[in-house]
Amino acid sequence: NAGVIQTPRHKVTGKGQEATLWCEPISGHSAVFWYRQTIVQGLEFLTYFRNQAPIDDSGMPKERFSAQMPNQSHSTLKIQSTQPQDSAVYLCASSLDDGGAQGYAEQFFGPGTRLTVL
Amino acid sequence: GDSVTQTEGLVTLTEGLPVMLNCTYQTIYSNPFLFWYVQHLNESPRLLLKSFTDNKRTEHQGFHATLHKSSSSFHLQKSSAQLSDSALYYCALTNSGTYQRFGTGTKLQVVP
Repeated sequence: NAGVIQTPRHKVTGKGQEATLWCEPISGHSAVFWYRQTIVQGLEFLTYFRNQAPIDDSGMPKERFSAQMPNQSHSTLKIQSTQPQDSAVYLCASSLDDGGAQGYAEQFFGPGTRLTVL
Repeated sequence: GDSVTQTEGLVTLTEGLPVMLNCTYQTIYSNPFLFWYVQHLNESPRLLLKSFTDNKRTEHQGFHATLHKSSSSFHLQKSSAQLSDSALYYCALTNSGTYQRFGTGTKLQVVP
């Protein structure tokens, strides 16, 4: 089991460019989460999917951020027109379930993508 | 909605002293699940402890925590801090059918 895989590990973009971040969850996990982590804000929830369906995107900045999960093996987070304030580590996590009947929805985090917007 | 409150900011301890990081939560549900995650420098968060049983002590890697529903608390403790315990600690809450809510994190720095 390779764990959650995130690519790229580092990405540098210029202001106004687009950035696409990739996540491959652990096989068999039904829930996939995206977080943004900065020193100032800590771990911020962005969005999550359950069985590929978007469930809650309440943490997503509405205008430039979007996330998709086209199949059970990967999810993408796209940031259009990146801004310096988007610079952060973006973490993807997956869990066996999202807190349903079992409740023990331990999340397994990937190594993160460090996005730097110049 | 659900929320988690942790000891804010940075906690600095001398090696060998006891550790206590506070975590309290708010939820309308009667059976919450509580978690502690630890994140070492340049690593990702990983699960340290979890519990859903009221008044039962849970232990792992020298750390322990007890869920107290009466006070809505799940404080993380360790009897003797080690330098390697220096890390960022997150408390998280989930209820059946919902995803985890994370606290803002507490940075623990253990010094010689």
